Amino acid sequence: GAGVSQSPSNKVTEKGKDVELRCDPISGHTALYWYRQSLGQGLEFLIYFQGNSAPDKSGLPSDRFSAERTGGSVSTLTIQRTQQEDSAVYLCASSLGIGTIPYEQYFGPGTRLTVT
Amino acid sequence: GNSVTQMEGPVTLSEEAFLTINCTYTATGYPSLFWYVQYPGEGLQLLLKATKADDKGSNKGFEATYRKETTSFHLEKGSVQVSDSAVYFCALSSSGNTGKLIFGQGTTLQVKP
Repeated sequence: GAGVSQSPSNKVTEKGKDVELRCDPISGHTALYWYRQSLGQGLEFLIYFQGNSAPDKSGLPSDRFSAERTGGSVSTLTIQRTQQEDSAVYLCASSLGIGTIPYEQYFGPGTRLTVT
Repeated sequence: GNSVTQMEGPVTLSEEAFLTINCTYTATGYPSLFWYVQYPGEGLQLLLKATKADDKGSNKGFEATYRKETTSFHLEKGSVQVSDSAVYFCALSSSGNTGKLIFGQGTTLQVKP
């Protein structure tokens, strides 16, 4: 079946502009995660969705970052007033949900964001 | 808070050499432990996992044993191949939590023929 897809694959934007990154999880996966991969910070957690709710937003670096998920499926990560330090690869992952033992997370190919 | 520390790379080996990538963790409770791999130009893939103490995860000739007494999950392979060249990430996830992964910094492995 189809894996996790993300769009766009690459995004170049000017400092101060807003950007939207999209994630399509694997069908039937109720849990969705956003991570960021950057040279200076490595791989870091941003936000977690269970269904359409986001019980853990602890990784969002500032209030310029927000995310939503609709219909228990597609998620959008929005970065307002982009800064150069936002340049990174943004990864989305999905899983069957949360149980006693964490389910495997399947990662998308990522969106490479470059802020000039 | 929870954290993962893995050996810094890059690690350069000749084909058929023995590989060890060290990983230690700090966590409350009983986390699950993972190794993810990122091949050049590809996305993150789960390589192996272990969900409780003394469990051994294995896949594609790689192994790692969950050692609670030393809070470690070292990755090993007896004979590496050029195709194993990639970035390897150690990670943990706390049970009963959100399932979010806490990653180490990643170790780049280059295998030369």
